[in-house]
Parts: sequence; structure tokens; C-alpha cells
Amino acid sequence: NAGVMQNPRHLVRRRGQEARLRCSPMKGHSHVYWYRQLPEEGLKFMVYLQKENIIDESGMPKERFSAEFPKEGPSILRIQQVVRGDSAAYFCASSKKQGTYSNQPQHFGDGTRLSIL
Amino acid sequence: KQEVTQIPAALSVPEGENLVLNCSFTDSAIYNLQWFRQDPGKGLTSLLLIQSSQREQTSGRLNASLDKSSGRSTLYIAASQPGDSATYLCACELNRDDKIIFGKGTRLHILP
Repeated sequence: NAGVMQNPRHLVRRRGQEARLRCSPMKGHSHVYWYRQLPEEGLKFMVYLQKENIIDESGMPKERFSAEFPKEGPSILRIQQVVRGDSAAYFCASSKKQGTYSNQPQHFGDGTRLSIL
Repeated sequence: KQEVTQIPAALSVPEGENLVLNCSFTDSAIYNLQWFRQDPGKGLTSLLLIQSSQREQTSGRLNASLDKSSGRSTLYIAASQPGDSATYLCACELNRDDKIIFGKGTRLHILP
């Protein structure tokens, strides 16, 4: 039973390019979360998605960042026109829900380390 | 706004000692609290999860406690080993919000 799969593990981009980070949730999980870990900082929540819906994007920067979780395929975190400050580790987590309440823990992937030259 | 604080930021102890890592949170309305381990350049490994109705959880040499009223949790590691060296993260999942709020972690180094 594979865990949360993120790819690529490492991504290098030049300033101004686009970065696409992929996350395949655990089998049976329909909820995906993205977190960012800046150097020497804790993990910060970015966005929470269910299939084809953004539930909470309160942690997403207002510009250049977007996320999707289509009906088929992985969740994508997209960063347009990257800048040096986007260099960080981006972690994806997934969970499944029972009923109304969140009573299943989030399972984390190994992250994508984004470096901006 | 929930804030999670971990003290100390870094800790070095000789192998074999028992140790305690501390975590505090500002809003007691949490759904659960979780302790993670993160090795350099790696992902997160969940160690212990305490539901808001629970007071502690144990796994092997690890014991985590939760006191919601005082906004504190501790992670107790018994008989520390060099392999325990890692960063330990405390995190709270909020009610009906599903966000996890992380502390900045405690970098633990066990001296052989």
C-alpha cells in the first residue's frame, strides 16, 4: 500500500520559470493538503483540496501560486514566475474522512525540494 | 489564531539519558495533537497522535502527554540512542478546520 507520493523529489528552476509539483495521495484518500517549509522555519499550511474543489486556500500566496486536484490524476501545486524566495520544501499530505469529522490523521509525503537559481 | 511553540529549539544530550521535549499552543480548542520526526532532507514520520479527549499516548520508548487546559504537550524519550537524533515537530489539528499548525521543531542530537 503505497504512501503519499510526491514528485519530483528535487526541482531546480531559474527565476521567472514555472514550477509544477505533483502529489498522488494514498489509495482511498480524497483530501489533499499542501504545506511549505522555508529554511529554518516550521511547516506552514498552504491549501486544502478535495477532488475538483478547493476547500481552504487561506495559506496560499495571493499571486503566482495555484493548486488543483482533478477528478483523475495527482494534485498539482503550480508556481508561476518563480523567485528566489520560493525556494523551500513543499510537502503534501492526504487523508480520508468519515462522516463530518476529521478523524483520520494526515499522511505526509517525502516532499519536493524546490531550488531557485 | 493558533500558535505552536517548541522549547528548546535545539538540544544535545548524552546517549542513554531520558529527555523531555516541550510544546505549547495558544488555543486549547484543538482536535488532536501530533508529534512528528523529521530527518535532514527527509519527510515527516508520525510518532504519536493524541486525540483531544486523551491525555497521553505511548509507543515503545516514546510517551506523549497532552494537557489542553494549560495548552501544553510533552514528548518523553526514554533511554535515548544516537538514532533518535532528528528534528521533532509538534503539530495541532484544529477543530473543523483540518489545517495542521506546526511548531518550528526541536533539533535533537544524541551524543554517542
